[in-house]
Formats: sequence, structure tokens, C-alpha cells
Amino acid sequence: NAGVMQNPRHLVRRRGQEARLRCSPMKGHSHVYWYRQLPEEGLKFMVYLQKENIIDESGMPKERFSAEFPKEGPSILRIQQVVRGDSAAYFCASSTEGAWSSYEQYFGPGTRLTVT
Amino acid sequence: AQSVAQPEDQVNVAEGNPLTVKCTYSVSGNPYLFWYVQYPNRGLQFLLKYITGDNLVKGSYGFEAEFNKSQTSFHLKKPSALVSDSALYFCAVRVRSNDYKLSFGAGTTVTVRA
Repeated sequence: NAGVMQNPRHLVRRRGQEARLRCSPMKGHSHVYWYRQLPEEGLKFMVYLQKENIIDESGMPKERFSAEFPKEGPSILRIQQVVRGDSAAYFCASSTEGAWSSYEQYFGPGTRLTVT
Repeated sequence: AQSVAQPEDQVNVAEGNPLTVKCTYSVSGNPYLFWYVQYPNRGLQFLLKYITGDNLVKGSYGFEAEFNKSQTSFHLKKPSALVSDSALYFCAVRVRSNDYKLSFGAGTTVTVRA
């Protein structure tokens, strides 16, 4: 049973370009979470999605950032017009049951975004 | 609001010695508490969790943690550390029953010397 998969593992973008980060949850998981890890900091919650629904995006910047989890295919975190401050590691996690259960979240290896 | 504090940026121990990584939390309700470990350039791996019941929780790789409600702490322990335990450890909390966002501490880097 493959774990949470993320690609690409490393992504370099110039300022002003778009970044697309993909996450495939563990098999059987329908709940996806995105977190951002800035240097020397812990992970910060960004957004929680279920299939075709954004449940909570309160941790996501209101401009330039968007997320989706379509019926088919991976979850996508999209950052438009990237700036240097977007450089970070972006982690995706998934869980099997509803977010209000006790089930732990399983994390992917992360995508390390570097904006030059 | 919920928060987690890991008061030590770094912990250094000799192989074979006990290892303790400290964590304190602040929540407005009953907590779910988690420990994760991150190896270089890898994602977070789940170690253990406290949901309810026995305050001493046992997890993967010989780790355990003790939930102390009065001290609002959830320290991670291992009786005999291995060099391979060297990694970055994160404590995380969410409020039971009405929240799902994990709030993470800043992490503690553990170095176990041979």
C-alpha cells in the first residue's frame, strides 16, 4: 500500500511564475490536508479538502493560492505569481475517516519550492 | 486557539542513554496529541498518539509518551537511544471533537552520538 505521494519533490520557479504541487492520498483516504513548513518553523495548516469540496481554507493566503481535490486525480495546490516568500516545503497529508475522528494524518515526502 | 511548545531546539544524547523530548500544549478543550519524526528530505512519520485512556502511550521504534493533564505536557521518551534516532521531532495537537487542524511545535533536533 503506497503512502501519500507528492510530486514534484523539488520545484524551482522564478518570481512571477506559477507553481503546481500535486498530492495523491493513500489508497482509501478521501480527506486531504496541505501544510507549509517555512525554514526553522513547524508546519502550518493551509487547507482541508474532501473530494470536490474545500472544507476549510482558513490557513491559506487569500491571494495567489488555491487548492482543489477533483473527483478523479490528485489534489493540486496552485500558487500563482510566486514570490520569494513562497519558498518553503509544502506537505500533503491524508486520513481515512472524517477529520473529527481520532485518526492520524499520514504525510507525504513534501515538495520543496524554491523561488529565485 | 491551540498551540504547542517544544522548549528545546536541540537534544544531544549518547547512544544507549535515555532520550526525552519535551512538549507542552495549550488548548481550549480536550486534546488529541501526536508525535511525528522527520528524517532529512523526508516527510513526517507518525510515531504515536494520545486520544484517551491510559496516560502512557507506546508507539513505533520503542518510543513512548506520557500525557500529563495537570502539567499540559506530552513528553516523548525512549529508554535507550540509537544513533538512527537522530532526526527532527514534532509534537502536534488538535482539539478533540471539534477541530481537525494539527498545530505543530517548531520541532526538536535530536542527535544521538555513538
